[in-house]
Amino acid sequence: EVQLVQSGAEVKKPGESLKISCKGSGYSFTSYWIGWVRQMPGKGLEWMGIIYPGDSDTRYSPSFQGQVTISADKSISTAYLQWSSLKASDTAMYYCARQITMVQGVTIPAIRGGFDPWGQGTLVTVSS
Amino acid sequence: DIVMTQTPLSLSVTPGQPASISCKSSQSLLHSDGKTYLYWYLQKPGQSPQLLIYEVSSRFSGVPDRFSGSGSGTDFTLKISRVEAEDVGVYYCMQGIHLPTFGQGTKVEIK
Repeated sequence: EVQLVQSGAEVKKPGESLKISCKGSGYSFTSYWIGWVRQMPGKGLEWMGIIYPGDSDTRYSPSFQGQVTISADKSISTAYLQWSSLKASDTAMYYCARQITMVQGVTIPAIRGGFDPWGQGTLVTVSS
Repeated sequence: DIVMTQTPLSLSVTPGQPASISCKSSQSLLHSDGKTYLYWYLQKPGQSPQLLIYEVSSRFSGVPDRFSGSGSGTDFTLKISRVEAEDVGVYYCMQGIHLPTFGQGTKVEIK
């Protein structure tokens, strides 16, 4: 079974650093782009960026460039999202998801693909 | 950024009745490779989003055939032929031709 399992909920203070994780299993982790998506409380989905674990090629949404860092450790099939200095406005649920398309019923990697599966989400709360 | 605009933002549907959601993009989603990179997701209450439709009209694995997608260029539609109670949640369109962007979401509830 293809799965993305994210790290647990975090409660942090403004100014603190944080790194959350997303571990893939059941597929070739290095072959598929992994994206990160933010969902602020009661709001919609915002795409933050993607990484190709095979060579760590990374792309960011202009809205998040410089605000977060996306990385991956292919030796342990894990992608990361990190902040160097959290703000209260970073309070949100963060999802990772694999980027795919389907050809003749088979799921294959695709940089312009849809996202499946999604991780269960990591709730980050930043409050003084 | 490509802006994705969904209408309506909320929908109340009687079980067994059809429902339709529109999604318009600020630029064409037709790529030079001939594919149109438009996706639909459903986020059920308390759950992660799930992929329903890829490349405008192809149903993803396990998605019931009451869901269908159509459209081209900049105008797209998701239709549910007969809404069931399990279809409640927020539906999002997403473009993938450039850096992905999502629509605002359409909340579907049962009357």
